[in-house]
Amino acid sequence: EAQVTQNPRYLITVTGKKLTVTCSQNMNHEYMSWYRQDPGLGLRQIYYSMNVEVTDKGDVPEGYKVSRKEKRNFPLILESPSPNQTSLYFCASSHSGGPTNYEQYFGPGTRLTVT
Amino acid sequence: GENVEQHPSTLSVQEGDSAVIKCTYSDSASNYFPWYKQELGKRPQLIIDIRSNVGEKKDQRIAVTLNKTAKHFSLHITETQPEDSAVYFCAAPRGGTSYGKLTFGQGTILTVHP
Repeated sequence: EAQVTQNPRYLITVTGKKLTVTCSQNMNHEYMSWYRQDPGLGLRQIYYSMNVEVTDKGDVPEGYKVSRKEKRNFPLILESPSPNQTSLYFCASSHSGGPTNYEQYFGPGTRLTVT
Repeated sequence: GENVEQHPSTLSVQEGDSAVIKCTYSDSASNYFPWYKQELGKRPQLIIDIRSNVGEKKDQRIAVTLNKTAKHFSLHITETQPEDSAVYFCAAPRGGTSYGKLTFGQGTILTVHP
């Protein structure tokens, strides 16, 4: 089954404790992205990757890191989480181009609470 | 960069009525405009998209119109049903044609009353 998976789905942590949220896709997509969703602010892109070892900042990259060592995986790293990073996080993947298909496939989401 | 504004933030309609959600964008080079639907507790899913070489696209009860001159595009849902209740997001690519770099609107909470 074609899918994007994220782990963990729920996480409660304390300020300053490093954490990693994993994301994996099995559709051989080139593009992968991380978004955060906050009420009234919609989906805001944190980072995106166009392919292995190619990443770039989105709209709200501060406080986050990513890596793309394999095509299927795109982990999100919070080196020193703060309460303002409490949010719902989505990973997404898509093909890089072609005439017909730019659909972003989203993972199930990770709800992060930083106390 | 791209700036996407979405209105209204909430929309309440009676079953069978039509619903219209509008988005404006700032980057005149943008040429791809998707709409995503997010049901409560679920992930966003693409429902329709349009490219700048057409002015309108329809898929059963949903349609999207695009006005490149005015830099706005709209989602139209006809004969609304309770299962259409969800949050709807529009988006546009930053940098015109970089489809991996999407800027989303703030979202519209649509409620369809039976």
